Amino acid sequence: KQEVTQIPAALSVPEGENLVLNCSFTDSAIYNLQWFRQDPGKGLTSLLLIQSSQREQTSGRLNASLDKSSGRSTLYIAASQPGDSATYLCAVRLDTGRRALTFGSGTRLQVQP
Amino acid sequence: DTGVSQDPRHKITKRGQNVTFRCDPISEHNRLYWYRQTLGQGPEFLTYFQNEAQLEKSRLLSDRFSAERPKGSFSTLEIQRTEQGDSAMYLCASSGLLENSPLHFGNGTRLTVT
Repeated sequence: KQEVTQIPAALSVPEGENLVLNCSFTDSAIYNLQWFRQDPGKGLTSLLLIQSSQREQTSGRLNASLDKSSGRSTLYIAASQPGDSATYLCAVRLDTGRRALTFGSGTRLQVQP
Repeated sequence: DTGVSQDPRHKITKRGQNVTFRCDPISEHNRLYWYRQTLGQGPEFLTYFQNEAQLEKSRLLSDRFSAERPKGSFSTLEIQRTEQGDSAMYLCASSGLLENSPLHFGNGTRLTVT
Protein backbone atom coordinates (compact mmCIF):
# COMPACT_ATOMS: atom_id res chain seq x y z
CA LYS A 1 0.00 0.00 0.00
CA GLN A 2 1.37 3.40 -1.01
CA GLU A 3 2.15 5.73 1.89
CA VAL A 4 3.02 9.38 1.43
CA THR A 5 4.78 11.37 4.14
CA GLN A 6 5.37 15.10 4.26
CA ILE A 7 7.94 16.78 6.45
CA PRO A 8 7.75 19.17 8.20
CA ALA A 9 4.10 19.19 9.25
CA ALA A 10 4.28 22.94 9.83
CA LEU A 11 6.73 25.66 8.94
CA SER A 12 6.94 29.37 9.74
CA VAL A 13 9.39 31.60 7.87
CA PRO A 14 9.95 35.35 7.45
CA GLU A 15 8.98 36.93 4.16
CA GLY A 16 11.63 36.70 1.46
CA GLU A 17 13.12 33.39 2.54
CA ASN A 18 13.63 30.50 0.16
CA LEU A 19 12.21 27.24 1.49
CA VAL A 20 11.94 23.54 0.71
CA LEU A 21 9.06 21.23 1.44
CA ASN A 22 9.64 17.48 1.41
CA CYS A 23 7.51 14.57 0.27
CA SER A 24 8.41 10.88 0.40
CA PHE A 25 6.52 7.84 -0.87
CA THR A 26 7.01 4.15 -0.22
CA ASP A 27 6.17 2.61 -3.63
CA SER A 28 8.41 3.99 -6.38
CA ALA A 29 6.25 2.58 -9.19
CA ILE A 30 4.45 5.85 -9.70
CA TYR A 31 2.85 7.33 -12.83
CA ASN A 32 3.06 10.94 -11.70
CA LEU A 33 3.32 13.18 -8.66
CA GLN A 34 1.41 16.38 -8.06
CA TRP A 35 1.82 19.27 -5.66
CA PHE A 36 -1.30 21.09 -4.50
CA ARG A 37 -2.03 24.14 -2.39
CA GLN A 38 -5.01 24.31 -0.03
CA ASP A 39 -6.24 27.48 1.66
CA PRO A 40 -8.30 27.13 4.87
CA GLY A 41 -11.82 25.86 4.21
CA LYS A 42 -11.20 25.60 0.48
CA GLY A 43 -10.53 22.97 -2.13
CA LEU A 44 -7.14 22.16 -3.59
CA THR A 45 -5.36 24.05 -6.34
CA SER A 46 -2.95 22.12 -8.56
CA LEU A 47 0.50 23.74 -8.61
CA LEU A 48 2.80 21.35 -10.46
CA LEU A 49 2.54 17.89 -11.99
CA ILE A 50 5.68 15.83 -12.61
CA GLN A 51 5.50 12.77 -14.81
CA SER A 52 7.49 9.73 -13.67
CA SER A 53 9.97 10.24 -16.52
CA GLN A 54 10.68 13.84 -15.53
CA ARG A 55 13.11 15.16 -12.94
CA GLU A 56 11.59 18.58 -12.28
CA GLN A 57 8.93 21.09 -13.18
CA THR A 58 8.94 24.86 -12.70
CA SER A 59 6.19 27.44 -12.49
CA GLY A 60 7.14 30.97 -11.52
CA ARG A 61 8.73 30.92 -8.07
CA LEU A 62 7.94 27.22 -7.62
CA ASN A 63 10.18 24.32 -8.57
CA ALA A 64 9.33 20.70 -7.91
CA SER A 65 11.83 17.88 -8.24
CA LEU A 66 11.29 14.14 -8.37
CA ASP A 67 13.69 11.32 -7.52
CA LYS A 68 11.53 8.30 -8.24
CA SER A 69 14.09 5.67 -7.33
CA SER A 70 14.54 7.06 -3.83
CA GLY A 71 10.85 7.86 -3.40
CA ARG A 72 11.29 11.58 -2.84
CA SER A 73 10.04 14.90 -4.14
CA THR A 74 10.75 18.44 -3.03
CA LEU A 75 8.87 21.66 -3.61
CA TYR A 76 11.14 24.72 -3.61
CA ILE A 77 9.53 28.12 -3.08
CA ALA A 78 11.75 31.10 -3.87
CA ALA A 79 11.42 34.51 -2.23
CA SER A 80 8.40 33.54 -0.11
CA GLN A 81 5.53 35.99 0.32
CA PRO A 82 2.71 36.21 2.91
CA GLY A 83 0.31 35.17 0.15
CA ASP A 84 2.12 31.82 -0.02
CA SER A 85 0.72 30.94 3.41
CA ALA A 86 -1.34 27.78 2.95
CA THR A 87 -1.13 24.01 3.31
CA TYR A 88 0.90 22.28 0.62
CA LEU A 89 0.04 18.68 -0.24
CA CYS A 90 1.78 16.20 -2.46
CA ALA A 91 -0.04 13.31 -4.09
CA VAL A 92 1.11 10.32 -6.10
CA ARG A 93 -0.63 8.23 -8.71
CA LEU A 94 0.59 4.65 -9.01
CA ASP A 95 1.60 3.15 -12.34
CA THR A 96 -1.22 0.58 -12.19
CA GLY A 97 -3.70 2.12 -14.56
CA ARG A 98 -5.81 3.28 -11.64
CA ARG A 99 -6.46 7.02 -11.31
CA ALA A 100 -6.74 7.30 -7.54
CA LEU A 101 -4.27 9.69 -5.92
CA THR A 102 -2.66 9.01 -2.54
CA PHE A 103 -2.07 12.21 -0.60
CA GLY A 104 0.29 13.15 2.17
CA SER A 105 -1.02 15.01 5.22
CA GLY A 106 0.49 18.27 4.03
CA THR A 107 2.86 20.96 5.27
CA ARG A 108 1.19 24.00 6.79
CA LEU A 109 3.24 27.04 5.76
CA GLN A 110 3.05 30.47 7.34
CA VAL A 111 5.08 33.31 5.84
CA GLN A 112 5.47 36.18 8.30
CA PRO A 113 5.39 39.70 6.82
CA ASP B 1 -14.70 28.13 -17.05
CA THR B 2 -16.58 28.59 -13.80
CA GLY B 3 -14.67 25.90 -11.94
CA VAL B 4 -15.98 22.89 -10.05
CA SER B 5 -19.11 23.70 -8.06
CA GLN B 6 -20.32 21.77 -5.01
CA ASP B 7 -23.60 22.09 -3.17
CA PRO B 8 -24.30 22.51 -0.31
CA ARG B 9 -21.20 24.10 1.25
CA HIS B 10 -22.19 22.92 4.70
CA LYS B 11 -24.55 20.20 5.92
CA ILE B 12 -25.44 19.41 9.51
CA THR B 13 -27.45 16.26 10.03
CA LYS B 14 -28.43 13.93 12.82
CA ARG B 15 -27.02 10.44 13.04
CA GLY B 16 -29.10 8.00 11.05
CA GLN B 17 -30.32 10.50 8.45
CA ASN B 18 -29.53 10.30 4.75
CA VAL B 19 -27.67 13.10 2.97
CA THR B 20 -26.94 13.84 -0.69
CA PHE B 21 -24.27 16.11 -2.12
CA ARG B 22 -24.02 17.45 -5.65
CA CYS B 23 -20.98 18.23 -7.79
CA ASP B 24 -20.95 20.11 -11.09
CA PRO B 25 -17.59 19.61 -12.83
CA ILE B 26 -15.94 21.90 -15.36
CA SER B 27 -18.15 21.48 -18.39
CA GLU B 28 -15.65 19.97 -20.82
CA HIS B 29 -14.15 17.55 -18.26
CA ASN B 30 -14.98 13.88 -18.72
CA ARG B 31 -13.38 12.61 -15.53
CA LEU B 32 -14.90 13.20 -12.09
CA TYR B 33 -13.59 12.18 -8.68
CA TRP B 34 -14.84 12.19 -5.09
CA TYR B 35 -12.45 12.47 -2.14
CA ARG B 36 -13.01 12.77 1.61
CA GLN B 37 -10.82 14.87 3.90
CA THR B 38 -10.74 14.98 7.68
CA LEU B 39 -9.08 17.71 9.72
CA GLY B 40 -5.31 17.73 9.47
CA GLN B 41 -5.20 14.95 6.90
CA GLY B 42 -4.83 14.80 3.16
CA PRO B 43 -7.81 13.82 1.00
CA GLU B 44 -8.66 10.12 0.67
CA PHE B 45 -9.92 8.75 -2.64
CA LEU B 46 -13.52 7.51 -2.73
CA THR B 47 -14.53 6.99 -6.34
CA TYR B 48 -13.91 7.95 -9.98
CA PHE B 49 -16.14 8.35 -13.05
CA GLN B 50 -15.26 8.61 -16.68
CA ASN B 51 -18.35 10.07 -18.31
CA GLU B 52 -21.24 8.16 -16.72
CA ALA B 53 -19.24 5.03 -15.91
CA GLN B 54 -18.03 4.49 -12.35
CA LEU B 55 -14.62 2.93 -12.98
CA GLU B 56 -12.98 2.92 -9.55
CA LYS B 57 -14.29 2.59 -6.00
CA SER B 58 -12.28 2.69 -2.81
CA ARG B 59 -12.80 0.20 -0.01
CA LEU B 60 -13.66 3.30 2.05
CA LEU B 61 -16.90 3.48 0.07
CA SER B 62 -19.03 1.25 2.27
CA ASP B 63 -22.49 -0.03 1.39
CA ARG B 64 -23.96 3.14 2.90
CA PHE B 65 -22.27 5.28 0.24
CA SER B 66 -23.43 5.53 -3.35
CA ALA B 67 -22.32 7.84 -6.13
CA GLU B 68 -23.91 8.46 -9.50
CA ARG B 69 -23.21 10.44 -12.62
CA PRO B 70 -26.27 9.61 -14.71
CA LYS B 71 -25.69 11.77 -17.77
CA GLY B 72 -21.95 12.16 -17.57
CA SER B 73 -22.26 15.71 -16.31
CA PHE B 74 -23.08 16.43 -12.64
CA SER B 75 -22.58 13.80 -9.95
CA THR B 76 -24.26 13.05 -6.63
CA LEU B 77 -22.85 11.35 -3.56
CA GLU B 78 -25.38 9.91 -1.12
CA ILE B 79 -24.65 8.68 2.38
CA GLN B 80 -27.36 6.59 4.01
CA ARG B 81 -27.80 6.14 7.77
CA THR B 82 -25.07 8.66 8.57
CA GLU B 83 -22.66 8.00 11.44
CA GLN B 84 -20.54 10.45 13.41
CA GLY B 85 -17.45 9.03 11.69
CA ASP B 86 -18.81 10.31 8.38
CA SER B 87 -18.16 13.90 9.49
CA ALA B 88 -15.61 15.26 7.02
CA MET B 89 -15.12 17.52 4.03
CA TYR B 90 -16.29 15.85 0.83
CA LEU B 91 -14.34 17.11 -2.16
CA CYS B 92 -15.18 16.73 -5.82
CA ALA B 93 -12.63 17.14 -8.61
CA SER B 94 -12.67 16.92 -12.37
CA SER B 95 -10.08 16.62 -15.11
CA GLY B 96 -9.78 16.39 -18.86
CA LEU B 97 -9.12 13.21 -20.83
CA LEU B 98 -5.40 13.78 -21.41
CA GLU B 99 -3.47 11.36 -19.23
CA ASN B 100 -1.60 14.02 -17.23
CA SER B 101 -4.43 16.54 -16.97
CA PRO B 102 -4.29 18.14 -13.52
CA LEU B 103 -7.23 17.81 -11.15
CA HIS B 104 -9.43 20.82 -10.49
CA PHE B 105 -11.10 20.67 -7.07
CA GLY B 106 -14.29 22.27 -5.82
CA ASN B 107 -14.46 23.95 -2.41
CA GLY B 108 -16.09 20.91 -0.88
CA THR B 109 -19.14 20.10 1.23
CA ARG B 110 -18.48 20.04 4.95
CA LEU B 111 -20.63 17.40 6.65
CA THR B 112 -21.22 17.41 10.39
CA VAL B 113 -23.10 14.46 11.88
CA THR B 114 -24.43 15.13 15.39
